[in-house]
Amino acid sequence: GQQVMQIPQYQHVQEGEDFTTYCNSSTTLSNIQWYKQRPGGHPVFLIQLVKSGEVKKQKRLTFQFGEAKKNSSLHITATQTTDVGTYFCADNSGGSNYKLTFGKGTLLTVNP
Amino acid sequence: SQTIHQWPATLVQPVGSPLSLECTVEGTSNPNLYWYRQAAGRGLQLLFYSVGIGQISSEVPQNLSASRPQDRQFILSSKKLLLSDSGFYLCAWNSQGRATQYFGPGTRLLVL
Repeated sequence: GQQVMQIPQYQHVQEGEDFTTYCNSSTTLSNIQWYKQRPGGHPVFLIQLVKSGEVKKQKRLTFQFGEAKKNSSLHITATQTTDVGTYFCADNSGGSNYKLTFGKGTLLTVNP
Repeated sequence: SQTIHQWPATLVQPVGSPLSLECTVEGTSNPNLYWYRQAAGRGLQLLFYSVGIGQISSEVPQNLSASRPQDRQFILSSKKLLLSDSGFYLCAWNSQGRATQYFGPGTRLLVL
């Protein structure tokens, strides 16, 4: 089945620095979703990208879908301690059940 | 509004004992339901999904089974737990025709 590779696995930043996580696939993605899981919590949906080259923003978060729909990125500007958590990308494998294939996630820690 | 419940929140079980984790969804009908396992510091592994009552698809061979006795109830079971069954078990749902998944609070299982 479709696999999505996510890098880096871990990222530690100083508060105020920027952060980016990348999601890559060898095949074309149907669409890409991003989730955030706070430490000890459960994944929470952030956004879905559908169109080639799409860029969406949520405050300090910028989500991008590649032109070839084989990669995606999440960029956080000026990180805050509240950004701590694991960020997952997920590909909709398609079909009527909309099963998702998750990347392994990027754990972000922020030093205040 | 829709709500997803999981219980228990935490569970410590001896090796060889049975397991029953329950997940219920409120405020929606005919959802797709999913069971994931997350080992410490790792990604999300899809275990089972269900598109309707009595319909279960297994993603990986394992020591666990799932059942859906009612439209909004999803149960994860085992007859004899193994040490490797320890982890964070997450239930999720989405609407038919929608890819976004909504996760429950999870059950932390420790098998000793």
